[in-house]
Amino acid sequence: ETGVTQTPRHLVMGMTNKKSLKCEQHLGHNAMYWYKQSAKKPLELMFVYSLEERVENNSVPSRFSPECPNSSHLFLHLHTLQPEDSALYLCASSQGVSGYEQYFGPGTRLTVT
Amino acid sequence: GIQVEQSPPDLILQEGANSTLRCNFSDSVNNLQWFHQNPWGQLINLFYIPSGTKQNGRLSATTVATERYSLLYISSSQTTDSGVYFCAVEMDSNYQLIWGAGTKLIIKP
Repeated sequence: ETGVTQTPRHLVMGMTNKKSLKCEQHLGHNAMYWYKQSAKKPLELMFVYSLEERVENNSVPSRFSPECPNSSHLFLHLHTLQPEDSALYLCASSQGVSGYEQYFGPGTRLTVT
Repeated sequence: GIQVEQSPPDLILQEGANSTLRCNFSDSVNNLQWFHQNPWGQLINLFYIPSGTKQNGRLSATTVATERYSLLYISSSQTTDSGVYFCAVEMDSNYQLIWGAGTKLIIKP
């Protein structure tokens, strides 16, 4: 595998379900990011991790819970989501958190029913 | 906060045409990237260009940091160039990428 991978690519879940999104980067980077892309809106930064420590949490509801067990893996745990949380969730990585090029995974398209 | 404006919002061209996409930003930046988002949602890095000029095949980009704008040139367009082109910038010492609304490009055969 090369670059940034995300699983699953598509996810449909009910509002009472618990699911997790997984991201893995094979680039040797130290920073990882979660973004949300809703229809007709700019990308929104959700979380930033640098060397497995969270450095940014952009007022994201607690029903989204990130986890970064090491610099190559990033998870987004989901529980009791709302229909408005349906979106494309993108993971990215970069060599460092400031001034470095970000590389994106293919995204997980989430539908909350 | 920093504002990022892209123009035009939509662009429809015939295959073989050339195009120029513009990104204006309101503050000094230490990171500027151009991305192409394909119809499946994948964001593909085109250029990391906080200043200067770069070329990659039919694509080139120029950022004039002192005048706070960047241009993306696409020459001899192909149908596979269709998609949304995003400009994203990072302010000095702030690691958040601020995204423009994108330019939706449609190349007709």
